[in-house]
Amino acid sequence: GAGVSQSPSNKVTEKGKDVELRCDPISGHTALYWYRQRLGQGLEFLIYFQGNSAPDKSGLPSDRFSAERTGESVSTLTIQRTQQEDSAVYLCASSFSGNSPLHFGNGTRLTVT
Amino acid sequence: DAKTTQPPSMDCAEGRAANLPCNHSTISGNEYVYWYRQIHSQGPQYIIHGLKNNETNEMASLIITEDRKSSTLILPHATLRDTAVYYCIVKGSSYDKVIFGPGTSLSVIP
Repeated sequence: GAGVSQSPSNKVTEKGKDVELRCDPISGHTALYWYRQRLGQGLEFLIYFQGNSAPDKSGLPSDRFSAERTGESVSTLTIQRTQQEDSAVYLCASSFSGNSPLHFGNGTRLTVT
Repeated sequence: DAKTTQPPSMDCAEGRAANLPCNHSTISGNEYVYWYRQIHSQGPQYIIHGLKNNETNEMASLIITEDRKSSTLILPHATLRDTAVYYCIVKGSSYDKVIFGPGTSLSVIP
């Protein structure tokens, strides 16, 4: 079946522009996670959605970062006024239930010039 | 912060078993141990998970100590394609954010 889909796969933007990254989770997965991975670094938790509960935004690095999720479907991560330090791969994952494994997409590689 | 500690890197000869350790001394009774791996330029891939019993699937085996404070992921016959960063995490059955540590970079050597 279809896995987690992320778009675009690559995005180059100029400093100061806003970008939107999209994640389509596996159908029926109630939990959705966003992570950032800078070059050569580990996965940095950003935000977590679970069903209709309030999202856990504790990992968002600044107020330039926000994310939305419509029900149990697609999610968008928005970065406003991008900075060069925002350059990274942004990974999305979804899971079916609390003790189910996470399924990751292949990420969006963001380059801010 | 991640609830697990892993060695930063390991080498393994091709064809030999790769044994990757993970310490999770503060694990709670309802928390599972999960293993993922990330091959360069790809999203992490789920490998295996367990609660207290040893587990085996087509990819690997997971050995959890009786006190559950540590575990070992075993790749029985490592190949060059197993070169990756391996992440061990603990997670309860309830819905919660999942924090990844730096993992172990495994290099399989010809």
